[in-house]
Amino acid sequence: QKEVEQNSGPLSVPEGAIASLNCTYSDRVSQSFFWYRQYSGKSPELIMSIYSNGDKEDGRFTAQLNKASQYVSLLIRDSQPSDSATYLCAVNFGFQKLVFGTGTRLLVSP
Amino acid sequence: EAQVTQNPRYLITVTGKKLTVTCSQNMNHEYMSWYRQDPGLGLRQIYYSMNVEVTDKGDVPEGYKVSRKEKRNFPLILESPSPNQTSLYFCASSLSGVWQQRETQYFGPGTRLLVL
Repeated sequence: QKEVEQNSGPLSVPEGAIASLNCTYSDRVSQSFFWYRQYSGKSPELIMSIYSNGDKEDGRFTAQLNKASQYVSLLIRDSQPSDSATYLCAVNFGFQKLVFGTGTRLLVSP
Repeated sequence: EAQVTQNPRYLITVTGKKLTVTCSQNMNHEYMSWYRQDPGLGLRQIYYSMNVEVTDKGDVPEGYKVSRKEKRNFPLILESPSPNQTSLYFCASSLSGVWQQRETQYFGPGTRLLVL
């Protein structure tokens, strides 16, 4: 069974620090990887996607992909209290199939 | 405004009473999907649809039905709800469901269902 694993947290970081969120997946042929942010009681919102090995930066967010080791990570620089949310990793396991991890809860303290 | 809408947002029902949760998107997307979200289990796909009259099972289809008679609508039907279907449900849509084409999946606001 195709799986996506994340540490449930909470991950606590002080304001201004770098938050590092990790995700591992089970299928080497996966091609597309996504990070969603979900505030409590709200719907998931796509914040980053990455398709090839290496780093992809978008503002304060950096996604890192290592297909050989089957992990994808999300770095949030200069973390703000408004970044406090649950971050969901999603992996495309073939055509039409998107599997989500259980999410990591991030708490940024002022 | 591009959006996915769901109705109702909150629903309390009793075991066995058929219900339908509607989902509609205004982006002319071909791909639509239903997920349920439970604590500790994350988002799990129930059913998805690649286009009108084309639907397929996700990971947890038991107890649910869907239909796709129009491109914009993808209702979720619970013929005989049971307490284990108490959950938070999300509808989502994307252009084609071919994730390699770098498309974004948009989620509806969610429907919180309680089955007594």
